[in-house]
Amino acid sequence: AQKVTQAQTEISVVEKEDVTLDCVYETRDTTYYLFWYKQPPSGELVFLIRRNSFDEQNEISGRYSWNFQKSTSSFNFTITASQVVDSAVYFCALSEGYNQGGKLIFGQGTELSVKP
Amino acid sequence: DAMVIQNPRYQVTQFGKPVTLSCSQTLNHNVMYWYQQKSSQAPKLLFHYYDKDFNNEADTPDNFQSRRPNTSFCFLDIRSPGLGDAAMYLCATSRASGTGGNGPTQYFGPGTRLTVL
Repeated sequence: AQKVTQAQTEISVVEKEDVTLDCVYETRDTTYYLFWYKQPPSGELVFLIRRNSFDEQNEISGRYSWNFQKSTSSFNFTITASQVVDSAVYFCALSEGYNQGGKLIFGQGTELSVKP
Repeated sequence: DAMVIQNPRYQVTQFGKPVTLSCSQTLNHNVMYWYQQKSSQAPKLLFHYYDKDFNNEADTPDNFQSRRPNTSFCFLDIRSPGLGDAAMYLCATSRASGTGGNGPTQYFGPGTRLTVL
């Protein structure tokens, strides 16, 4: 069965600290997609990144970086020099089902609080 | 800007009174989804449409129905809301996999927060 685990329920850091959000997934599919979404207090889920199972290249986007390792079934997310605006709930998700729409399997989310 | 729009943002209804939530999109995506998210929980898929084909999740209560009259619009009907149905309802859209672009990436609307009195 597909499953996504975000072991960190809450993380609190002080502004300018680096922080890593962990995500571990389980799937039997050989082709799958992994995602990170940000959910600020307003409630909207904001897409951050998608990774295909056949592309293990790490990615950096400004202060955000993602480390995808198939060997450990992990897709971790690092925020460098965190800011107060990064405070939100972050969800890691796995997509199953193809060609007619894919169900997202979400982790439980990690609530990040960045204090000034 | 292409986007997913949900109306209303906040909806208050009475116990047992039918309510309809709406979602529209300008992304021209052929898949539309409805998720329910309760406080401090992850979103949970209720159902989705691939074009006009309706796909219900096995554990979605019969109290929840959906309509998709055209590509752009999708509605969530709650026939007899109970107190346990108070939640954020999120609409999302995506292309079907293999159709290029961002593939199965789901783009979410701002959500409708439903309160049941």
